[in-house]
Amino acid sequence: QKEVEQNSGPLSVPEGAIASLNCTYSDRGSQSFFWYRQYSGKSPELIMSIYSNGDKEDGRFTAQLNKASQYVSLLIRDSQPSDSATYLCAVNINNAGNMLTFGGGTRLMVKP
Amino acid sequence: SAVISQKPSRDICQRGTSLTIQCQVDSQVTMMFWYRQQPGQSLTLIATANQGSEATYESGFVIDKFPISRPNLTFSTLTVSNMSPEDSSIYLCSHGGQGFTDTQYFGPGTRLTVL
Repeated sequence: QKEVEQNSGPLSVPEGAIASLNCTYSDRGSQSFFWYRQYSGKSPELIMSIYSNGDKEDGRFTAQLNKASQYVSLLIRDSQPSDSATYLCAVNINNAGNMLTFGGGTRLMVKP
Repeated sequence: SAVISQKPSRDICQRGTSLTIQCQVDSQVTMMFWYRQQPGQSLTLIATANQGSEATYESGFVIDKFPISRPNLTFSTLTVSNMSPEDSSIYLCSHGGQGFTDTQYFGPGTRLTVL
């Protein structure tokens, strides 16, 4: 079992819809979780971090964390074609300092 | 966050040669990391670059193949040695704090093609 798992997609949503991206992790003791966006040919850029159970909102983005079920999700409201990218979930496994383990990424396509 | 730059941005190399990638941060940072992203794949951590001491390598990566230097708190290099086509990847450096809640920020990456 991979430590951090994501559906590779592609996930296709129409413009204006809500995109829901999911991530599961294996280490029950993990406490920090990050979502990165990566455009083709570019490096990952941080969208959000989340550490506590529940929802965290930032503009059109909402991160959701459920430690009991070991999943973290990212919702993108009012999806735009410019949101089309690969979204990477990263987890601090074993609370090993600042070391992150990345999921395989989900490719999102927002169609006009 | 501190701004990271990498050199070169891309290179095409011959099998058996070595390439050194430079990572420069515009302010002092505690932690620096090196990742590899193979075509169509996610990021895999190669090593943590430790200032003034030997890097800490992840399983599957060895110092002879990927020697790393970190002479100060703003600069690090990664060398890809004795390259083969399987080393064709994007190599990324990142920086962050020491705590598990600290975010990592990535440089623009170096796209390496080995012929």
